[in-house]
Amino acid sequence: EVQLLESGGDLVQPGGSLRLSCAASGFTFSSYAMSWVRQAPGKGLEWVSVISGGGGSTYFADSVKGRFTISRDNSKNTLYLQMNSLRAEDTAVYYCASVVTSPVYYFDYWGQGALVTVSS
Amino acid sequence: EIVLTQSPGTLSLSPGERATLSCRTSQSVSSSYLAWYQQKPGQAPRLLIYGASSRATGIPDRFSGSGSGTDFTLTISRLEPEDFAVYYCQQFGRSPLFGQGTKVEIK
Repeated sequence: EVQLLESGGDLVQPGGSLRLSCAASGFTFSSYAMSWVRQAPGKGLEWVSVISGGGGSTYFADSVKGRFTISRDNSKNTLYLQMNSLRAEDTAVYYCASVVTSPVYYFDYWGQGALVTVSS
Repeated sequence: EIVLTQSPGTLSLSPGERATLSCRTSQSVSSSYLAWYQQKPGQAPRLLIYGASSRATGIPDRFSGSGSGTDFTLTISRLEPEDFAVYYCQQFGRSPLFGQGTKVEIK
């Protein structure tokens, strides 16, 4: 059974940093691209970042570019999101999701989410 | 940049009725890149449809997807009580985008 378990969500002050983790099990983690998607309270879904299976390629939404870093440790089956210079508008539930690519593209499995609150 | 517009914003229907949800893109997109997700309150999104028309594993056949180019549709043939939720279309381009969602509520 595929499981994605996020952790690291917390209350942080504006300008602060936080690192989210996503522990994966039940599939060959290194064979899949992985992504972070967030959802602000009462709002829709917003894609944040994606990383290739080997970790060599990363992409970010413009809203987080230069502030967030995505990485993975395939030996630990774990995905990370390092968030720096956090802003109030980064407050959201952050989901990790596995990504199916080629020939069709979609977010396959999702974690239960980690809440990040940016507030003083 | 591509924009996804879902309509209607809210759909009020009774169990057993048919639901038709629309997703329009501002530019033509490949069907390979179009997916639909269901989200219930307090839960993570769940994949329903990928490649515009292929049902994900375990999704009942009352859910179907169709469309091409700029117009895509998710149809629920007969609403069950567990189908009342928010539905998102999503386009997987260089920057994956989600529509704003359609809420299917009980009338």
